[in-house]
Amino acid sequence: GQNIDQPTEMTATEGAIVQINCTYQTSGFNGLFWYQQHAGEAPTFLSYNVLDGLEEKGRFSSFLSRSKGYSYLLLKELQMKDSASYLCAVRGDAGNMLTFGGGTRLMVKP
Amino acid sequence: KAGVTQTPRYLIKTRGQQVTLSCSPISGHRSVSWYQQTPGQGLQFLFEYFSETQRNKGNFPGRFSGRQFSNSRSEMNVSTLELGDSALYLCASSLRENEQYFGPGTRLTVT
Repeated sequence: GQNIDQPTEMTATEGAIVQINCTYQTSGFNGLFWYQQHAGEAPTFLSYNVLDGLEEKGRFSSFLSRSKGYSYLLLKELQMKDSASYLCAVRGDAGNMLTFGGGTRLMVKP
Repeated sequence: KAGVTQTPRYLIKTRGQQVTLSCSPISGHRSVSWYQQTPGQGLQFLFEYFSETQRNKGNFPGRFSGRQFSNSRSEMNVSTLELGDSALYLCASSLRENEQYFGPGTRLTVT
């Protein structure tokens, strides 16, 4: 089975840096995805990690440690528009099936 | 390149009815996955189709079914609708293992 945990809510200040953690216990692992989802909208792809280490993409970075079953999404220079839910998802061994965590609702305050 | 499209965007049905939702993947993408999103359960995997074959299936009752056509377009069907089927149904397509792109979803309300 798959179990993916992430904090339910986080609050941060505009211009600051925030780290959203995700831990997973899975029977198989073939990559970890991060998505951003604004209320009432579809998830949009942010990052993909399959090897250990840091992937940087503009203001967003994602880290993976497979031995620890741990990932984080780092958001720098926070903007008000970054207020959204952030979803961690693990791709198992079978096809493209993704198992999602419950999502972290990030609120950015002025 | 056009993104994933889903129709209809909104749907209201009555308990006991059936519904068919449609998804057109990004051109060239052969894998289509369906997910259900509810406030209580979050995003849950329904099934995946690849080259017209169901490759994976989630833990949903047999009332939920799907299919994929030769042009990679996919449909999912829910029969004998229940109130608990009210949800956002999302379709995602992919070409490579390091990507899955979601469509805008179909919001189904069962009354």
